[in-house]
Amino acid sequence: SAVISQKPSRDICQRGTSLTIQCQVDSQVTMMFWYRQQPGQSLTLIATANQGSEATYESGFVIDKFPISRPNLTFSTLTVSNMSPEDSSIYLCSVLGTDDKSANTGELFFGEGSRLTVL
Amino acid sequence: GDSVTQMEGPVTLSEEAFLTINCTYTATGYPSLFWYVQYPGEGLQLLLKATKADDKGSNKGFEATYRKETTSFHLEKGSVQVSDSAVYFCARGGFKTIFGAGTRLFVKA
Repeated sequence: SAVISQKPSRDICQRGTSLTIQCQVDSQVTMMFWYRQQPGQSLTLIATANQGSEATYESGFVIDKFPISRPNLTFSTLTVSNMSPEDSSIYLCSVLGTDDKSANTGELFFGEGSRLTVL
Repeated sequence: GDSVTQMEGPVTLSEEAFLTINCTYTATGYPSLFWYVQYPGEGLQLLLKATKADDKGSNKGFEATYRKETTSFHLEKGSVQVSDSAVYFCARGGFKTIFGAGTRLFVKA
């Protein structure tokens, strides 16, 4: 299992500002995933953060809007830039679980999420 | 592309009622299948999973069977409790996990 801590847990932001969300994992992982969950919606993958390389963004998400850092194997940040009310969502950090042989189990572990409200 | 379709909510039940939340998927091959649960104000957590055809995942009284012939992974519980009120997500594993839209369950006392 993996324990993931995210902060802030929630914030209210003004239009046009940027906010950085931090994600800390209690073990070293190769990939960290950032998801967006808009109100009443399912999860949409924003990007995969790989240590030592650029993040891989999904269709519809760009680095200028959602820059990601991955300085080491236990930490990542997601910045939501130049926010608008449409960015009001829960942002979730996630990692894949591994078995005792360090193989991926396919199970995802999530942080508690960062709920952003943009006014 | 691959997808996961689950029944729309909200689903409202009385305590001790029987629950079924339908889930079907499309995929190449035989991916692992998952049910995640999201309690109010929390992130998602794994409820149960099945890794191959005919496997039955179970946890906390919930069950789901991996049905290859119908490409389904329906979630069931024989007697729901108020504490089961949450949003339930069906998901298909693989290189990228694909989530269903989520089904909100309300259980009344």
